[in-house]
Amino acid sequence: GQQLNQSPQSMFIQEGEDVSMNCTSSSIFNTWLWYKQDPGEGPVLLIALYKAGELTSNGRLTAQFGITRKDSFLNISASIPSDVGIYFCAGYPLQGAGNMLTFGGGTRLMVKP
Amino acid sequence: SQTIHQWPATLVQPVGSPLSLECTVEGTSNPNLYWYRQAAGRGLQLLFYSVGIGQISSEVPQNLSASRPQDRQFILSSKKLLLSDSGFYLCAWSDGGRETQYFGPGTRLLVL
Repeated sequence: GQQLNQSPQSMFIQEGEDVSMNCTSSSIFNTWLWYKQDPGEGPVLLIALYKAGELTSNGRLTAQFGITRKDSFLNISASIPSDVGIYFCAGYPLQGAGNMLTFGGGTRLMVKP
Repeated sequence: SQTIHQWPATLVQPVGSPLSLECTVEGTSNPNLYWYRQAAGRGLQLLFYSVGIGQISSEVPQNLSASRPQDRQFILSSKKLLLSDSGFYLCAWSDGGRETQYFGPGTRLLVL
């Protein structure tokens, strides 16, 4: 089946630093979604991307739909302690998988005050 | 606006006991509904999805079943829980196929 490779698996950074994480696939995707999950909570949608090359911001977060349609990245600028959590990429592949959303394995972000 | 609820938030059950987790969605009609399980520190595994009342698709063989008795209600059940059923269960909805999915707050299940 389709797979999304998300990296890094975890990050431990200093407050104020910028963060970058990405997802790659060997298949073409036509939708990319980025979620954040706080401990004990359900994932919350951060950014949705629908077109190749699309660059979208949500406050300090910026995400891009890769030109090849096989990757996406999420950047967080000037991190703060409440950015702690697990970030998941997800997407719908162009072919196959039906209506199933494919998820990356997650990036666990830890921020040191 | 749309909201999604899950009940209960936390559940501790003995092995062999039955299970019923409920998910309800407000503010939308005929949503696609999904049940996921998440092991501690891991990714999300799709268990079931439904495109309409009484229509259930199962993604993995397991000890669980799902039902959709009403348009905006999705129930996850088991007749006899196993230790391996422990985990964090998430319900999600979308406006249709291949649309953005929105998650509920989750139910943490511990089987002892």
